[in-house]
Amino acid sequence: DMKVTQMPRYLIKRMGENVLLECGQDMSHETMYWYRQDPGLGLQLIYISYDVDSNSEGDIPKGYRVSRKKREHFSLILDSAKTNQTSVYFCASSLSVNQDTQYFGPGTRLLVL
Amino acid sequence: GDSVTQTEGQVALSEEDFLTIHCNYSASGYPTLFWYVQYPGEGPQLLFRASRDKEKGSSRGFEATYDKGTTSFHLRKASVQESDSAVYYCALSESGGSNAKLTFGKGTKLSVKS
Repeated sequence: DMKVTQMPRYLIKRMGENVLLECGQDMSHETMYWYRQDPGLGLQLIYISYDVDSNSEGDIPKGYRVSRKKREHFSLILDSAKTNQTSVYFCASSLSVNQDTQYFGPGTRLLVL
Repeated sequence: GDSVTQTEGQVALSEEDFLTIHCNYSASGYPTLFWYVQYPGEGPQLLFRASRDKEKGSSRGFEATYDKGTTSFHLRKASVQESDSAVYYCALSESGGSNAKLTFGKGTKLSVKS
């Protein structure tokens, strides 16, 4: 069963703390994505990863970094989280760079106090 | 750059009503068009897609036809059910593009009351 998983599902952090959001997929997909979703703004792309150690900024990369050391795993890191990074974060994957159907995980709801 | 404009905000209907959510796009090339649906507490999931002019995508009673002339991909359903309550996103992907990027609309929340 094709699946994208995200951990944790809910997270509360204080401003200035570091945050690690994890995403996994069992489909051997090459391409993975991180989005954030905010009311009225829809889905905004933070980073794309084309494969291991091959990452590219999306539309709103500031304040975020990513790591992809294994094809099935893609991490989003917030160094010194800010209150305006409170959001719902979604990970997605697609078969390859030329296969544009994306499969989404269930999301991580992050609250930064 | 590419952009997608869809019906803003919320659409409130009763069961068995007809649904239309408008989607218009702007793209330099010949994009692939998508409708995604997001149920409460879940991530978006693909409803269907279309890649060519006049191609109709459909799933679960929803349908949309790719219209290159009017740059539209409007979502329709003849008779909605309460279980259709969700957020619907129109999206496009640059045809043949190598950046694998989807451009999403801002989403339309559908609320159906019984």
